[in-house]
Amino acid sequence: GNSVTQMEGPVTLSEEAFLTINCTYTATGYPSLFWYVQYPGEGLQLLLKATKADDKGSNKGFEATYRKETTSFHLEKGSVQVSDSAVYFCALRRGGNKLTFGTGTQLKVEL
Amino acid sequence: DTAVSQTPKYLVTQMGNDKSIKCEQNLGHDTMYWYKQDSKKFLKIMFSYNNKELIINETVPNRFSPKSPDKAHLNLHINSLELGDSAVYFCASSQDATAVAFFGQGTRLTVV
Repeated sequence: GNSVTQMEGPVTLSEEAFLTINCTYTATGYPSLFWYVQYPGEGLQLLLKATKADDKGSNKGFEATYRKETTSFHLEKGSVQVSDSAVYFCALRRGGNKLTFGTGTQLKVEL
Repeated sequence: DTAVSQTPKYLVTQMGNDKSIKCEQNLGHDTMYWYKQDSKKFLKIMFSYNNKELIINETVPNRFSPKSPDKAHLNLHINSLELGDSAVYFCASSQDATAVAFFGQGTRLTVV
């Protein structure tokens, strides 16, 4: 079946540090890939997506590239801010309409 | 102007009770979902409806019964609540099976 594996958190960074949150997936064919973010006390919001190999999704300074050869969709940001503190979920959709989520990675950004 | 709205936001109830969570979307989407987020933040789909028809029913106890009175609403009714039902329940919707899903703010259910 389909699955998503994310690096375990929490990840603690200083403001302006470089962020990478690893995400790898298992799926047949070509799934669509997503990153969702959950800020404290809020619901999930779509952060970015990619629907085919080598696509790069980007939003709010975050980027992720769909790598078919390594079945990865790592999330990166060049300079994090305190306001980026949240839980980040990698997800895939392959056939049908359900999203399969990773376990989430908590990011804490400190001054 | 909330796109996907759930009520209530918080729900505390005793074991054995029956409760409902309501969800409404004003996006004109055809597909709606319920997801459960456990205490470790793990998210898993429970149900999916497309145009009021059940499409996905993951291995969820029969005590959970979704009801879709129309395309814009998908309510979740839970009978005989158990301690293990404590979680955050998220409603979501998407235009169709391949479109991006928009999530509500979640309902934190605590069973005591």
